[in-house]
Amino acid sequence: EAQVTQNPRYLITVTGKKLTVTCSQNMNHEYMSWYRQDPGLGLRQIYYSMNVEVTDKGDVPEGYKVSRKEKRNFPLILESPSPNQTSLYFCATHLGGRRNTGELFFGEGSRLTVL
Amino acid sequence: KNQVEQSPQSLIILEGKNCTLQCNYTVSPFSNLRWYKQDTGRGPVSLTIMTFSENTKSNGRYTATLDADTKQSSLHITASQLSDSASYICVVSRGGGFKTIFGAGTRLFVKA
Repeated sequence: EAQVTQNPRYLITVTGKKLTVTCSQNMNHEYMSWYRQDPGLGLRQIYYSMNVEVTDKGDVPEGYKVSRKEKRNFPLILESPSPNQTSLYFCATHLGGRRNTGELFFGEGSRLTVL
Repeated sequence: KNQVEQSPQSLIILEGKNCTLQCNYTVSPFSNLRWYKQDTGRGPVSLTIMTFSENTKSNGRYTATLDADTKQSSLHITASQLSDSASYICVVSRGGGFKTIFGAGTRLFVKA
């Protein structure tokens, strides 16, 4: 079954305590990205990766880091979380190059609360 | 500025009724437009895709329209069911497809 798996699904943490949200996909998609979803604002792209070792900033990258060492994994790192990073986070993938139809495949979401 | 605006913000309808959700965009160059359905607590799932040359596309009880001249799209839901209660998100891809702009979504509530 084609899947995009995020962990953890729910997390409550405190300001400044480093955390990582993992994302793994089994569809062999080149393109992976992270979004945050806040009420009334819709989904905003944090970072994206077009392939292994190729990452770039999205619209709201401040306070986040990513890495793409393997094609299937794209972790999101919050080095020093702050309360304004409390949000619902989604990882998404799609095919790259000429096979790209623009359809994004989303994970189930990770709800993060920073106290 | 590349933007996608959706209306209404939220909508309540009775089961069995029809409804239409609107999406206006100013994205350029235009590649395609997708409607996603997002159930509460889940990730969005694609319902339909519209390219520049397409005017109408159906997926079961969902029918999407696109007017590329006025840069408007609509999603019509026929004979609504309780399971249609969800957020519906309009997403426009810029040329090349890698850059996507999301609307804020319309929250639909279907009541028995």
